[in-house]
Amino acid sequence: NAGVTQTPKFRVLKTGQSMTLLCAQDMNHEYMYWYRQDPGMGLRLIHYSVGEGTTAKGEVPDGYNVSRLKKQNFLLGLESAAPSQTSVYFCASSSPIQALNTEAFFGQGTRLTVV
Amino acid sequence: QKEVEQDPGPLSVPEGAIVSLNCTYSNSAFQYFMWYRQYSRKGPELLMYTYSSGNKEDGRFTAQVDKSSKYISLFIRDSQPSDSATYLCAMTVDNYGQNFVFGPGTRLSVLP
Repeated sequence: NAGVTQTPKFRVLKTGQSMTLLCAQDMNHEYMYWYRQDPGMGLRLIHYSVGEGTTAKGEVPDGYNVSRLKKQNFLLGLESAAPSQTSVYFCASSSPIQALNTEAFFGQGTRLTVV
Repeated sequence: QKEVEQDPGPLSVPEGAIVSLNCTYSNSAFQYFMWYRQYSRKGPELLMYTYSSGNKEDGRFTAQVDKSSKYISLFIRDSQPSDSATYLCAMTVDNYGQNFVFGPGTRLSVLP
């Protein structure tokens, strides 16, 4: 059972380049999320999706776009990378509550450096 | 003021010690409270989940919620070197899970 898989695991970009981070989950979860984690800031929500074909902005959406064309996949795009987007990116998924046990399952993270 | 505050540490304790990790929050609407454990270079994993006020125990771990003080705690008894990790508190208003708010995390080191 793979859970949540992120690709790539590491990437170095030059300022102005674009890239797409892929997240795939095999738990049939409705909800998917993209977070960034920076020292002292904790996990901050970039965008999220509550179902196939739907997306919504989180706390820090600027400079990012997302798409959820298939239920199991959630893509995060950076159109023109900036050094401020250097971070560790986590994808997560969850299911609407059952038995009062909401849990977000996280991927292993993508370490992105923008130079 | 951040919505969820947490002492970043690092916190170093000897093996076998009782560890107390804490978070404070400002939004009184939070009802669901979680503790995640994150090992170095890994994604967070759910450790404990509680609803509203009260205590919840799971093995060596106890989660405590005091909504009147907007304060939550995680206690680890008989701490082990394998407990060395960053502990993130998280909370949400509703039970649909799309609006988790995370604390910045406390880094814990348990020394053998």
